[in-house]
Amino acid sequence: EAGVAQSPRYKIIEKRQSVAFWCNPISGHATLYWYQQILGQGPKLLIQFQNNGVVDDSQLPKDRFSAERLKGVDSTLKIQPAKLEDSAVYLCASSFRLGDPSTDTQYFGPGTRLTVL
Amino acid sequence: QQQVKQSPQSLIVQKGGIPIINCAYENTAFDYFPWYQQFPGKGPALLIAIRPDVSEKKEGRFTISFNKSAKQFSLHIMDSQPGDSATYFCAATSPLRDMRFGAGTRLTVKP
Repeated sequence: EAGVAQSPRYKIIEKRQSVAFWCNPISGHATLYWYQQILGQGPKLLIQFQNNGVVDDSQLPKDRFSAERLKGVDSTLKIQPAKLEDSAVYLCASSFRLGDPSTDTQYFGPGTRLTVL
Repeated sequence: QQQVKQSPQSLIVQKGGIPIINCAYENTAFDYFPWYQQFPGKGPALLIAIRPDVSEKKEGRFTISFNKSAKQFSLHIMDSQPGDSATYFCAATSPLRDMRFGAGTRLTVKP
């Protein structure tokens, strides 16, 4: 079974530029998550989708971050404009569906490391 | 605000030792407590998890101890090996599956 795919793996941009990350979840997984992991910290949930609907985006800085999941499969996360403090690894995860957590394991992709100069 | 507090930040043990990582939470709505293992350049991977109605769960060399009244839980790694060297995260999730992670513990197991 293929894992969660993310691209690009690395991105370096200047502050105030825009950037987009792409995620392809495991086939058949209805739930998709985006996390931000700042160096030395645990992942922080940014947004959670169930199919193509948003379940939770309470921690997403909506003035500069946006995410979409068209057709309930792939997802993109965009930052516009980027700030220095956005430097982090952006992780995508997917799970089969919301429900009993013991059968709803989140599988993580390798992440995209963003550096904002 | 940090909803899950994890300690220590880093831990060094000798091969065969038993590292213990501790976590505490505040939100009583949390109903599932997983531990993740992360190697450099990789995403976190689920290691073991527990529900609050169970006081202990063991899978192989990994054991979670859970104290619901104290709102604390811990990970023990028996007979630790150099290959266990990684960063470990505790986490907690509510029925909405909004996962909250601890800050992580970098474990080094020396040969």
